[in-house]
This record gives sequence, C-alpha cells and structure tokens, in this order.
Amino acid sequence: AQSVTQPDIHITVSEGASLELRCNYSYGATPYLFWYVQSPGQGLQLLLKYFSGDTLVQGIKGFEAEFKRSQSSFNLRKPSVHWSDAAEYFCAAYFGNEKLTFGTGTRLTIIP
Amino acid sequence: NAGVTQTPKFQVLKTGQSMTLQCAQDMNHEYMSWYRQDPGMGLRLIHYSVGAGITDQGEVPNGYNVSRSTTEDFPLRLLSAAPSQTSVYFCASSYGRDPSYEQYFGPGTRLTVT
Repeated sequence: AQSVTQPDIHITVSEGASLELRCNYSYGATPYLFWYVQSPGQGLQLLLKYFSGDTLVQGIKGFEAEFKRSQSSFNLRKPSVHWSDAAEYFCAAYFGNEKLTFGTGTRLTIIP
Repeated sequence: NAGVTQTPKFQVLKTGQSMTLQCAQDMNHEYMSWYRQDPGMGLRLIHYSVGAGITDQGEVPNGYNVSRSTTEDFPLRLLSAAPSQTSVYFCASSYGRDPSYEQYFGPGTRLTVT
C-alpha cells in the first residue's frame, strides 16, 4: 500500500543545533515529495518539494531535503535551528491518485 | 490578497446538529479541497473540487457534503454531527489538481462534537 511514514513523533533540539527529520515512503515508483510546516494555530505552509532531478532540494527558511531512492527516504535538514522553527512538520507524497498522502507529523521543540 | 480564509475558527456542536464550515479564496484557484487533521493520523482528504460545479470524494467523505457554486467558495456541510467528527478542518486551494501547483492552506477550524 502507498504510505508515508514519519518515525519520530516528537524531537527536541537545542537552538543553534542541526536538525534532521525523517520521512520514508512506500511506493513502487518515485512519488512527488513535499515537506510542510505548521506553526501553532496556523495552516500548513510548503517548505520544499521534489519531483525529479537533483536529489538535494533547497526550500524556504533555510531548510533542505535529500531524496534517496535506495532508502525510499526524503529527510528534511537544517544546519542551525532557530526558536522560530518550533512547529509541526509534515512529509507528504503524491502517488498519482489525485490526492496528497500525509505522514503523521513530527513535532519539533527548540530549547534555549 | 487574503489567501484562504476559513470561518469559524472554533465551533462546538451537539451530536445530531448540522453546520457549515466556510472556506473562501481570492486567488482565482480552480482546485479546492477539505482535509481533517486528527492526532497521530496526519491530514486526510475529505472532498475536493476541480472547478465550479465539480466536486468529488476524497478518502474520508462519509458524513460530509460539499458544493462549489463559485470559484471562490467551497463550503463543507456536516448534516448530522457525530463525536467522531471532532477534528481540525483545513481548507486548501491551488491553481489546479496537478501536484506541481502549490497548495495554500487556510488557518483551520477546530470542531468539537459533544
């Protein structure tokens, strides 16, 4: 079955530390892949997307993600987090079935 | 541009009551959709529309109705609310159904059914 998995429900990192959020998908081909961020009380905002080509994708707010076909992964990274990055992050995929399939989300807490 | 707006922000209903969640966008987007967000389940698609007069079901359509009489508006109706419909509801819009078009999300409506 087509699915998106975010193994980490909650991650805590110190301000200034690096960040990596994991995302894996299950699909027989390469889907379109997305990362969204949801700040408290807000809707979702697109951080970046991957369709094809260069497997390292740059997004907004200093985020990047790397697609690895061999691992069916699309992990989100940031070299140095800021307190304003505290939010919930969703990985999503388009499997060609007219809808986005979302992962369950990873809540990011930043400690000073 | 106001983007995607949703009203109300919060709502409490009793079981069996009906209500309409409003969604509007001012970006002339053809594609609009409704999602529900539940803890530990991510977002799930309820209904979507590819243009005025055209709607279709998503993965969790039961208990919800939609219509699309204008490009701007896409209301979601709960005919007889049930506690299982307690959730946060998001409306989204984009230029088209192609996933290359960015989806813009509204701020959400938090619904509690008692």
